[in-house]
Amino acid sequence: QKEVEQNSGPLSVPEGAIASLNCTYSDRVSQSFFWYRQYSGKSPELIMSIYSNGDKEDGRFTAQLNKASQYVSLLIRDSQPSDSATYLCAVYNNNNDMRFGAGTRLTVKP
Amino acid sequence: GAVVSQHPSWVICKSGTSVKIECRSLDFQATTMFWYRQFPKQSLMLMATSNEGSKATYEQGVEKDKFLINHASLTLSTLTVTSAHPEDSSFYICSYLAGNYNEQFFGPGTRLTVL
Repeated sequence: QKEVEQNSGPLSVPEGAIASLNCTYSDRVSQSFFWYRQYSGKSPELIMSIYSNGDKEDGRFTAQLNKASQYVSLLIRDSQPSDSATYLCAVYNNNNDMRFGAGTRLTVKP
Repeated sequence: GAVVSQHPSWVICKSGTSVKIECRSLDFQATTMFWYRQFPKQSLMLMATSNEGSKATYEQGVEKDKFLINHASLTLSTLTVTSAHPEDSSFYICSYLAGNYNEQFFGPGTRLTVL
């Protein structure tokens, strides 16, 4: 069983819509959760972090964490073509152990 | 977020040569850093974890004698690809563990092409 799972996509949404990205993880003792955005040919960029259950909002981005269900999601409101990228879910367990999902490719169509 | 630089940003070399990639944290000091490799259209693959002053811990399947890691200080780490071959052509990315909640901050990456 993969430790961090994401739908590979591609996920396609029209401009202005809400994009919903999902991630599940297997280790119940996971402590910190992150979403990274990676444009083609570039390195990942941290866009959201969340540590406790509930929602965390930052601009057009909302991260949601449910530790009981071992589920973390990222919502992107008012999606823009510039949001088209691969989104990586990452989970930090302990002892410098950070695990990444394979990423979900998002395309926002004008 | 923290700023991490990598040098060179891209390199082309002949098969059999060695290539050194530098990774620097510019605005913070961190004891732990990571080296990743990413092939086209594939996910990040962790190669090794290194702590300053200690030997690196390599992931299964990564040859430590081929990919030499020197974590010389809290702000500098190097990855040397020895006797590079075309199959080593990839995007190599370093990252530092920093922040109060163990965020990873990535360097811009180095694209290696071995002819």
